[in-house]
Amino acid sequence: QSVLIQPPTASGTPGQRVAISCSGSNSNIGSNTVSWYRQLPGAAPKLLMYSNNQRPSGVPDRFSGSKSGTSASLAIGGLQSEDEADYYCAAWDDSLNGLYVFGTGTKVTVL
Amino acid sequence: QITLKESGPTLVKPTQTLTLTCTFSGFSFRTSGVAVGWIRQPPGKALEWLALIYWDDDKRYRPSLKSRLTITKDTSKIQVVLTMTNMDPVDTATYYCAHRRTSHWTFDYWGQGTLVTVSS
Repeated sequence: QSVLIQPPTASGTPGQRVAISCSGSNSNIGSNTVSWYRQLPGAAPKLLMYSNNQRPSGVPDRFSGSKSGTSASLAIGGLQSEDEADYYCAAWDDSLNGLYVFGTGTKVTVL
Repeated sequence: QITLKESGPTLVKPTQTLTLTCTFSGFSFRTSGVAVGWIRQPPGKALEWLALIYWDDDKRYRPSLKSRLTITKDTSKIQVVLTMTNMDPVDTATYYCAHRRTSHWTFDYWGQGTLVTVSS
């Protein structure tokens, strides 16, 4: 029962820009920073973005993140075949006694 | 270089207790701010955070599972253990341990995961 809502699918052709949205609430995205993870088929998730728009070392700058109010977005520029994966947003949620919540996930397909 | 690896049973029976071990390298619980968490993913479904333990032994649990979960770290401080009681088929999932980036609620290094199936 994810509380962060993402579109189930997104797609684009090689070289295109694709954006994935993540909709939350005041208790999570509205109050805390957002991370994004990419999960290739059969693999463990990998951190793509943290603190809304910070890229870990090794993540190319064609990935960018943003946050506004209770929503966040991940943009992938110059789409490549290896970007075909599942993408998850995540944030700390202050409700109840606090918990880390993930999004519903978005499957990106490179056409 | 930070690495983590999960180990434990691949099959447990309903009502049994699951014990998973995360063995890591490249960091130490002797360092202030260090934390390790557990996350699971049922087949074909989204990720779900379960628990986290800090260097100072502070712990956080998913509220809906708190009564069933226990997270500990060993005295040599290179392993984290997660136990989950009263396992049910809905708990069938790949279980990951992950390193939490210091001072950020984000997991920057993940283990490969271990698939646990709950079935009689």
